[in-house]
Amino acid sequence: GDSVTQMEGPVTLSEEAFLTINCTYTATGYPSLFWYVQYPGEGLQLLLKATKADDKGSNKGFEATYRKETTSFHLEKGSVQVSDSAVYFCALSDLPNNDMRFGAGTRLTVKP
Amino acid sequence: DGGITQSPKYLFRKEGQNVTLSCEQNLNHDAMYWYRQDPGQGLRLIYYSQIVNDFQKGDIAEGYSVSREKKESFPLTVTSAQKNPTAFYLCASTPNLSGEETQYFGPGTRLLVL
Repeated sequence: GDSVTQMEGPVTLSEEAFLTINCTYTATGYPSLFWYVQYPGEGLQLLLKATKADDKGSNKGFEATYRKETTSFHLEKGSVQVSDSAVYFCALSDLPNNDMRFGAGTRLTVKP
Repeated sequence: DGGITQSPKYLFRKEGQNVTLSCEQNLNHDAMYWYRQDPGQGLRLIYYSQIVNDFQKGDIAEGYSVSREKKESFPLTVTSAQKNPTAFYLCASTPNLSGEETQYFGPGTRLLVL
């Protein structure tokens, strides 16, 4: 079945450092790909998404490109801030039921 | 403001007790979902509903039950058959089933066993 694998955390960076969180997927069809962010004690919020190959999703300085050839959707940010500290989930959504498959999550801590 | 609400924020369950978690949305979304989140793990699908009066089991439905009597409501009951219910429960919804639609999440309910 469909699945998502993302890099294990935790990840600790200094403010203004470059961030990459790797995500690869396995799917039989042509899924949509998502990055969600979860702040402590809260639900998930959509960070960005891409619905077809070579699409780039971007939001709040974060970017991810849908790479069909490498089945990847890596999350990047050029300069992280303390406020980016959270858990990041990579996910895919595919037909027919549109239920999401989530990675295990990567906890990011940014230190001043 | 449109959104998804979940209540209560914290819920305590005694041994052998059934408890019900509330999920309400005013987004006019068709599909609704329940996920369970355990520490250090991703979300696992418990049940989903594509339309009123219809719902399907997800990957870990055992020990749980749901109903979908109204479009805006999708309550989850954690029964006494669920032997390890301590987790963070998240409700989500989407407008339709196209496969491209974002899932919108509620703030979650943390269930603890006394």
